[in-house]
Amino acid sequence: KAGVTQTPRYLIKTRGQQVTLSCSPISGHRSVSWYQQTPGQGLQFLFEYFSETQRNKGNFPGRFSGRQFSNSRSEMNVSTLELGDSALYLCASRRSYGLEGYTFGSGTRLTVV
Amino acid sequence: QQQVKQSPQSLIVQKGGISIINCAYENTAFDYFPWYQQFPGKGPALLIAIRPDVSEKKEGRFTISFNKSAKQFSLHIMDSQPGDSATYFCAARSNDMRFGAGTRLTVKP
Repeated sequence: KAGVTQTPRYLIKTRGQQVTLSCSPISGHRSVSWYQQTPGQGLQFLFEYFSETQRNKGNFPGRFSGRQFSNSRSEMNVSTLELGDSALYLCASRRSYGLEGYTFGSGTRLTVV
Repeated sequence: QQQVKQSPQSLIVQKGGISIINCAYENTAFDYFPWYQQFPGKGPALLIAIRPDVSEKKEGRFTISFNKSAKQFSLHIMDSQPGDSATYFCAARSNDMRFGAGTRLTVKP
């Protein structure tokens, strides 16, 4: 079966712009989580969505937001980009909220210049 | 926000040797402890996981040892191979999953 699909794979944006990243979970998976990965901070939890509702949120500023659609696909948005937002953004899906078994996508590499 | 402390940051092992990576946590609400393996350009992939009611779990060359009283757990890779060279992350779950900082493992031929 198809894995977690993230688009685009690479993105270059200018400081101050906004960006939207997309994630399609594995078929049948209804929970989607987002992580930011940087060399200095490792994997930092952004938020998790289940049934179109945000269930948990990490310690990121309000510039980071997300949503989930009825087909479980999710998007995350970062507004007013800063240089420090350059990172690999990973999406992970699992069958249901609270269950183990995260499957990660390959990520979107965002570079802010 | 680092709720799971992982060490060492990097590890070099000879082929055939044992690789050991350690993690410690504070939150007693964590109820599931997975290890993930990540190759360059890829997302992390689940390797092996353990629940806190078990002290050890083995899958092939990979073993998790879990010490609930010490709030520590470790990954042992037996007979390490060059193909095991990757970054390894421990994690712990309550409602969401929290990750350690990662260990870059290099296995020399």
